[in-house]
Amino acid sequence: AQSVTQLGSHVSVSEGALVLLRCNYSSSVPPYLFWYVQYPNQGLQLLLKYTSAATLVKGINGFEAEFKKSETSFHLTKPSAHMSDAAEYFCAVSEQSGGFKTIFGAGTRLFVKA
Amino acid sequence: NAGVMQNPRHLVRRRGQEARLRCSPMKGHSHVYWYRQLPEEGLKFMVYLQKENIIDESGMPKERFSAEFPKEGPSILRIQQVVRGDSAAYFCASSLLAESYNEQFFGPGTRLTVL
Repeated sequence: AQSVTQLGSHVSVSEGALVLLRCNYSSSVPPYLFWYVQYPNQGLQLLLKYTSAATLVKGINGFEAEFKKSETSFHLTKPSAHMSDAAEYFCAVSEQSGGFKTIFGAGTRLFVKA
Repeated sequence: NAGVMQNPRHLVRRRGQEARLRCSPMKGHSHVYWYRQLPEEGLKFMVYLQKENIIDESGMPKERFSAEFPKEGPSILRIQQVVRGDSAAYFCASSLLAESYNEQFFGPGTRLTVL
């Protein structure tokens, strides 16, 4: 079965600093990988997805992620944090079994300090 | 074009009552997924439905929980005889296609509180 591990349940950065949120996956087949963002009391919004095309994926709001097969990682980065980036971020992998379901990591809450 | 709609947004029930959560997918989407999010945890898959069919219910508890997606109307997640452990946020998502690479669009969730 596929699984996702997000390292660090809480990450705190200063405004303008680099954001790095870590995600490792396990999969026996080439995975489809996603990053979602959740703002308080809201649903999830897709930031970006990897579907076996380019290994460096660019998403919305200046975020990007790099798929590294050798490291089974899909870390999310943003060069310069903004206060509005404070939210919970979920890494996810999709699994197909007669339809498909998405397996989510436990989430990383990002705090941005002024 | 409205996104995924869920209602109610907040639901309070006493132990033993029934909770009925509704989800209207995005226009044109015929694939619906239900997830549960417990406090400080990620989303856990519950069930995947297409119109009038349950495709994958491997994440549904064996008792008290059921889901449907009728030909007409919203998808319904039903929890009978609720217990305090059912308190959580329940999210519905929909997609245009069933392929694994397809984005799922999420609703705002229903926050269930069981007293």
